[in-house]
Amino acid sequence: RKEVEQDPGPFNVPEGATVAFNCTYSNSASQSFFWYRQDCRKEPKLLMSVYSSGNEDGRFTAQLNRASQYISLLIRDSKLSDSATYLCVVNEWGYQKVTFGTGTKLQVIP
Amino acid sequence: DGGITQSPKYLFRKEGQNVTLSCEQNLNHDAMYWYRQDPGQGLRLIYYSQIVNDFQKGDIAEGYSVSREKKESFPLTVTSAQKNPTAFYLCASKPGQGFNEQFFGPGTRLTVL
Repeated sequence: RKEVEQDPGPFNVPEGATVAFNCTYSNSASQSFFWYRQDCRKEPKLLMSVYSSGNEDGRFTAQLNRASQYISLLIRDSKLSDSATYLCVVNEWGYQKVTFGTGTKLQVIP
Repeated sequence: DGGITQSPKYLFRKEGQNVTLSCEQNLNHDAMYWYRQDPGQGLRLIYYSQIVNDFQKGDIAEGYSVSREKKESFPLTVTSAQKNPTAFYLCASKPGQGFNEQFFGPGTRLTVL
């Protein structure tokens, strides 16, 4: 089983739709979680951290479910500019190695 | 401006040649990382370093070497032993232990001819 798993997609959604991605992780000692966005042929950029209580940033909401060992990303009112690959990232407290998922590709269509 | 720089942006080399990719950061981060990304694939960890003069192998270290003589710099050498070196190479850094996100450089796209 992979340490961090994501559905590769692509998720093709119309503008204005709500879309959600999940990311499962296998290491129960994992302590910090992030969502990154990566545009084609560019470096990943931090979208948001994922806190135990969940967090929201505008149209984006991230949730953590420790019992089931997954994190989620919800995007409301999708924009064409949201089209990208979304990577989830997991690492353990105090441990510098981080693990990336392979990413979920989102394509927002007009 | 603080950040991570990688050079060159595009690099071409002939088979059998070693090549060194540069990564510099002025963020005063302790940890630095090298990843490789192939088309349509996720990031795979090559090497990482938590402090100066110390580094550990990642998942795909064979055919690569690194050094960490200065906090700001973490160069990656792709040796001729790397069987399939054509890829997008990303360098990242992280402040230290704890709940810190990684910051990435713009990447170097290496093509072996």
